[in-house]
Order: sequence, then C-alpha cells, then structure tokens
Amino acid sequence: GQQLNQSPQSMFIQEGEDVSMNCTSSSIFNTWLWYKQDPGEGPVLLIALYKAGELTSNGRLTAQFGITRKDSFLNISASIPSDVGIYFCAGGGNKLTFGTGTQLKVEL
Amino acid sequence: EAGVTQFPSHSVIEKGQTVTLRCDPISGHDNLYWYRRVMGKEIKFLLHFVKESKQDESGMPNNRFLAERTGGTYSTLKVQPAELEDSGVYFCASSRSPNEQFFGPGTRLTVL
Repeated sequence: GQQLNQSPQSMFIQEGEDVSMNCTSSSIFNTWLWYKQDPGEGPVLLIALYKAGELTSNGRLTAQFGITRKDSFLNISASIPSDVGIYFCAGGGNKLTFGTGTQLKVEL
Repeated sequence: EAGVTQFPSHSVIEKGQTVTLRCDPISGHDNLYWYRRVMGKEIKFLLHFVKESKQDESGMPNNRFLAERTGGTYSTLKVQPAELEDSGVYFCASSRSPNEQFFGPGTRLTVL
C-alpha cells in the first residue's frame, strides 16, 4: 500500500531555532497536507498544498509540494515552546494516508 | 463554529465486550471520516461517509466494526466483540470539501 515516510522521527531544538522536516512517498499524491497534533487532541490542519512545486506559508510555517508529487517539506522559523507536538504529513483527498510523524520538542 | 466532537474521550473495556463511539461533525459538513491510530503506528483511514451513505469503507479492519450515520448527521462506530488489537485512538473528521478535513479530539480505546 501507499506509505509516507517522515524524517526526522524526532527533533529536540532550542527556542528560536528554525526547524525543517520532510515527507517522502512511494506514490504520487495530488494533495499534501501538514497537520500538528498536541497531546490529547486531534490533528489540526496547518497547511494544504494542491499543486506540484507550490510553496505556501502560514505565519512562521512554510511548506512546499515537491515537483514529482512524491515529497514535501515543512519549515518552522524561530521556534517557540508552543510548537511542541507531533507533525504529520498526509497525502490524498478523501482517503488520507498519513506519515509516521515527527515529534518536535523545544528547549527553552 | 463548533468543532468536531467525539464521545467518549476514553473507554476501557474487556476483550469480548462491545463499545460504541460517537462522532458529531461540524454542522453542514456532508463528509465524515473515521481514522484510527494504533500505538506507535501511523494514523490509518477506516471509512468515509457522504451524508448517510458509505462512500469508502476499504479501511475497516474486519466485520467486527460497524459504522453508521443515520440521517447524515452524527456517526457511530461500534466494535463487537472487541479484541486486544483494537486498542488505539479513534479519530473522526469532517469536511465540506475532500481536501481539508477537520479532526476531533479522538476516543482512546483500551481493550484489556
């Protein structure tokens, strides 16, 4: 089946640092989504990407949809403590395929 | 606008028992989805409703799982009888369009 691999699996960074994580797929997706999950909550949509090569920003977040439609990256600039959580990439439309997640921890 | 709500937030049952999870989607969202995350694994799709109709139930693990959405509003997911491997967090999501699904907080199911 389709599989999304995220890297790194976890990150431990200093407050104020920039963060980069990526997601690769064995299959082509027409839509890529980035979600963040806080403990005890459901995933919250951060950014949606619809076109190959598309670069989209949402505040301190920037994501790009790879030109091959098989990968995407998410950057967070100037991290703050509330950025802590698990970040998931997801591909597809109605039937989302989720990545394995990147756990982000921020040190004050 | 109220978000997706799920009930209960936690459920602990014994193997062989029955559990019913409920999801109330965002008002006006015709699309409703169920997903599950088993410990240490990725979130996996279970099924998709459009209004009261099952559009895609290809992710349902087996016939012990039954999802309904009578009247096209809230949905229930029943597991009967529950097995140990059914433990995990069950998420519901809803959307107007397919590409932007809004998730509920999840129901954590523990089968002992």
